[in-house]
This record gives sequence, structure tokens and C-alpha cells, in this order.
Amino acid sequence: GAGVSQSPSNKVTEKGKDVELRCDPISGHTALYWYRQRLGQGLEFLIYFQGNSAPDKSGLPSDRFSAERTGESVSTLTIQRTQQEDSAVYLCASSPWTEANYGYTFGSGTRLTVV
Amino acid sequence: DQQVKQNSPSLSVQEGRISILNCDYTNSMFDYFLWYKKYPAEGPTFLISISSIKDKNEDGRFTVFLNKSAKHLSLHIVPSQPGDSAVYFCAARNYGGSQGNLIFGKGTKLSVKP
Repeated sequence: GAGVSQSPSNKVTEKGKDVELRCDPISGHTALYWYRQRLGQGLEFLIYFQGNSAPDKSGLPSDRFSAERTGESVSTLTIQRTQQEDSAVYLCASSPWTEANYGYTFGSGTRLTVV
Repeated sequence: DQQVKQNSPSLSVQEGRISILNCDYTNSMFDYFLWYKKYPAEGPTFLISISSIKDKNEDGRFTVFLNKSAKHLSLHIVPSQPGDSAVYFCAARNYGGSQGNLIFGKGTKLSVKP
């Protein structure tokens, strides 16, 4: 597609349930990033994938969070045993990984509400 | 340790006046700086950028200034319009670094009052 697509756009889940968020990056973009923005906060880096390299997971807040990416396409972010503090907008972005690349293209995000 | 800092979480200006959003950084190896704009319920969108070899870049009502010696950049919006009300993120390029290509600040929420 023309842009970064995220699904679902909204998700309400009960505390303790697992959720899976999906990101379809722009075709040909080798790099993919997950961020989250909690209410009133800035962008918080979670994880990024670059081609076939091992992902940088340094931003994942706990072992309840994990992410996968199939080749250079779709990525899924999984949150196990959700907690209320996981409520946030989860943003995915992609970019071509070249020295001439100067920015990311973001999706519209998934708003996760844990009740 | 925050490498890109936006020390003002919010800013309120009157329509027609100038908005100045500030950003400081610590890493002298950053070679490119960008501003993103984010409306509620949407992802951030690219607004304007500047190379580290320049000190000013202008695009319509938006101008970004870079002061390398002070490790400071600013975004000027003039005249400000109510539609400019959004969260503005400063980002610096850290090509090949950890956590991806860009390091983001925490954002400044701009409110432009009619």
C-alpha cells in the first residue's frame, strides 16, 4: 500500500488478556519501528527491525512484550497478560535503510485500552 | 540519558503571532534534524528538516534554525494558525545507531488560540 497500515485502530481488552497488534510497512522499507505514546507522554521507543539483523529490543518495557517481523514485511507486537499501564497508542513506522534516508513514515497507530 | 530534549511540554500562542518550539541535543555526531507534527488519533507526519551543514531551512510559514555550537534547534511558525495546534516532535538522525535511525524528543504540545 501507499502508507504504513496498522490494525486494529482501536482495541479494548480486559486486564490479563493477551493482545496482538499488526503493522504493514511500506513495501521496500527494510527498517520497521514500534513506539508507544501513553497519555500526556512523548514517543517511547520499543523495538526496531532492520532487514535480517537481530532486532533491537532495548526499549521493550518488560518480558510481557514481544515482536516479530516476517522478512521485510508484516510485524506483530504482542503484549501478554496486559496491565492497565499498557494502555497507550502503539505506533509503527517504517523507513528505507539507506544513508540517504532522512525520516520515518508512521502509521495511524493502534489505541489500546486495558480495562 | 536523553539525547534529544524538548524542555517545554506545552506552548500556547495567539493566532497570527509567532510560535517558537525549541529542541536541544547532546550528540555532536547527529547529522540531520527533523520536525514531526502529530494530531490526535493520527501518526506523526514529517514537517521540515535541516542538515547539520546548514543553519536555516525555510518552507512557507515554517522555518527551522540550527545552532550547532549550542546544540540547539528551533522551529518557527509564522503566522500561527489554529490548525497548527498539535504535538511537535524534534528528531535527530543517528544513522546506524541503536534504537534505529532517529532519536525523538518527548514533544511539545502547541495550542494556537483564535
